[in-house]
Amino acid sequence: LAKTTQPISMDSYEGQEVNITCSHNNIATNDYITWYQQFPSQGPRFIIQGYKTKVTNEVASLFIPADRKSSTLSLPRVSLSDTAVYYCLVGGNTGFQKLVFGTGTRLLVSP
Amino acid sequence: EADIYQTPRYLVIGTGKKITLECSQTMGHDKMYWYQQDPGMELHLIHYSYGVNSTEKGDLSSESTVSRIRTEHFPLTLESARPSHTSQYLCASSESDQVLNEQFFGPGTRLTVL
Repeated sequence: LAKTTQPISMDSYEGQEVNITCSHNNIATNDYITWYQQFPSQGPRFIIQGYKTKVTNEVASLFIPADRKSSTLSLPRVSLSDTAVYYCLVGGNTGFQKLVFGTGTRLLVSP
Repeated sequence: EADIYQTPRYLVIGTGKKITLECSQTMGHDKMYWYQQDPGMELHLIHYSYGVNSTEKGDLSSESTVSRIRTEHFPLTLESARPSHTSQYLCASSESDQVLNEQFFGPGTRLTVL
């Protein structure tokens, strides 16, 4: 599985757009990029997944450049309830998918 | 909303006791997983299962054992609990035919061994 690197923590204010970038230099051709969100004392929750270019859903957008060596999770107009840990995962559809969560990015949204 | 349940949510127990953490899902998922997570730390995969009668150890060595007799049920057992087993245990499940298999997590069991 490709190793990922993301900032340990980020701070933001309510109403701002937050962009969390993840580096995955050794991503393989068949690897997808997935982001999960985890609130304290809860299990992670799937946010978004993509392979290339841009993916958008009701929660977030995921931007993936052409070389796919990085990706950016964009959270529009964050609120206090977006305070959580965000994990970037990379893996492909090759047999059993063991997800490696890493340390994630701890986002703190302040009033 | 994911239908995956874990019981108990919290457990405080003395050293040497045998415990079983329950995990059940009603989504018919073939794949199930157990993760261990200390507060503020990474999730570590300790067990996983492809389906009934299939279990494998994960990346983090664990003294716990699991069984998968029914699709919906994936219990984790510690034969003799120790303080080093104090942690949060998270169960998850996923379908077999999706790319990267989005995992649905239960609420977790916070175990404290005295």
